[in-house]
Amino acid sequence: EPEVTQTPSHQVTQMGQEVILRCVPISNHLYFYWYRQILGQKVEFLVSFYNNEISEKSEIFDDQFSVERPDGSNFTLKIRSTKLEDSAMYFCASSEALQGNTEAFFGQGTRLTVV
Amino acid sequence: AQSVTQLGSHVSVSEGALVLLRCNYSSSVPPYLFWYVQYPNQGLQLLLKYTSAATLVKGINGFEAEFKKSETSFHLTKPSAHMSDAAEYFCAVSDRTGAGSYQLTFGKGTKLSVIP
Repeated sequence: EPEVTQTPSHQVTQMGQEVILRCVPISNHLYFYWYRQILGQKVEFLVSFYNNEISEKSEIFDDQFSVERPDGSNFTLKIRSTKLEDSAMYFCASSEALQGNTEAFFGQGTRLTVV
Repeated sequence: AQSVTQLGSHVSVSEGALVLLRCNYSSSVPPYLFWYVQYPNQGLQLLLKYTSAATLVKGINGFEAEFKKSETSFHLTKPSAHMSDAAEYFCAVSDRTGAGSYQLTFGKGTKLSVIP
């Protein structure tokens, strides 16, 4: 069964460093998302991406964040200068259509720890 | 914006007992509602979704949920808990954004423990 794949599963980085979280969405999906979950809190929407551009972004997704689909299969989330409060589980998701009733398929997540 | 409230961050049931995980939503329009499950060290997996076709929705692994508009609820149930049901369960509503796309708004999650 097709699945969304995320690497690495766990990333530890020093404050101020850049990190890139990688995702391979399901191949025939056109819509891509990043969500994050800070420990003990809700899963929060970060950004959606379609047709090589951002469709929507939340208030969390500030200038420190960027997304890219560099080669037609990978979908990356970059954090330019990490802060302690960026420590969270980051989930990539993809869906085949942009409808309210279309499910999003999630990856297993990348746990980012900023020290 | 829509919101989701899951009552109980942690629920424990005995093996074979009824599982009831509560979810209430706020929405000004008919909602699209989802239940996702996260097993340890795995991603979020869709259990079931409500899309207005039927108020009682059956999902995978014997779970079902009933949409009750009058109560703005979408509680998840399973008649008989199995040890393998131990996981974290997330209720979510699909929220149309100002730009015309959709994003999921999640509840805080309920961790289900099953006692042998």
